[in-house]
Amino acid sequence: ELKVEQNPLFLSMQEGKNYTIYCNYSTTSDRLYWYRQDPGKSLESLFVLLSNGAVKQEGRLMASLDTKARLSTLHITAAVHDLSATYFCAVDGGAQKLVFGQGTRLTINP
Amino acid sequence: EPEVTQTPSHQVTQMGQEVILRCVPISNHLYFYWYRQILGQKVEFLVSFYNNEISEKSEIFDDQFSVERPDGSNFTLKIRSTKLEDSAMYFCASRRQGGSIGYTFGSGTRLTVV
Repeated sequence: ELKVEQNPLFLSMQEGKNYTIYCNYSTTSDRLYWYRQDPGKSLESLFVLLSNGAVKQEGRLMASLDTKARLSTLHITAAVHDLSATYFCAVDGGAQKLVFGQGTRLTINP
Repeated sequence: EPEVTQTPSHQVTQMGQEVILRCVPISNHLYFYWYRQILGQKVEFLVSFYNNEISEKSEIFDDQFSVERPDGSNFTLKIRSTKLEDSAMYFCASRRQGGSIGYTFGSGTRLTVV
C-alpha cells in the first residue's frame, strides 16, 4: 500500500527566509503533484512532476522529484506572508487515484 | 480558466438522512473523482469514475456511497443514511486523458451531519 509522508507537518518561519518541505513515498511512482490549500478552500495545483530529476519553478516556489529516492522537495525562497497556507504532496497511486501526504501547514511571520 | 463546479457549498443534514452532492466537471475531461477531507486532516480518495463506471474505490467507499453521472455534465455522490463521521469537506476532481495534466479540484462541499 502506497504511503506518503510529509515533513515537517508544521512550519513557522520569518519572511525572507528559505526553507524546504519534504515528501517521501513508499512505492514506485513517477508522478507527483504539489497542491496549496488556503483555510476552508479547495486544492490549488502548483506543480506536476512527471519524471526523475524533474524540477519546476514558479515564483518563490521550486519543486523537484527524485524517483529513485522516492522523494520530492518543495523549496521556498525568500518567503513572503502570502505563501502562508497548507501544502500537500500527492502521489499517483495507480488505478486512477492520488494518495496525499498529511500536509504541511506553513505560517510566514512578518 | 475552466473550473470544476460543486453544489451546494455547505450542507447540513440530520444523521440518518440521505444527501446528494453535485459536481460539474470540466467539459472535455474524461476521468472523475471524489475525495474527502475531514477537518484538519489529509485528503482521502473515495472513488474514480471513467467511461460511465467506477474504475477504483477505496475502503471508505462502502455500500453507503454511490456515484452517478446522470447526464452528460453532472457527476453526483450520494451518501445514504449519513453518520456523524461523514462530516467532512467533499471534493470533486476531474482530469483529461493523459498523465501530463494534473487533476483539477472543485471548491468543495462542506457536509455537516448533526
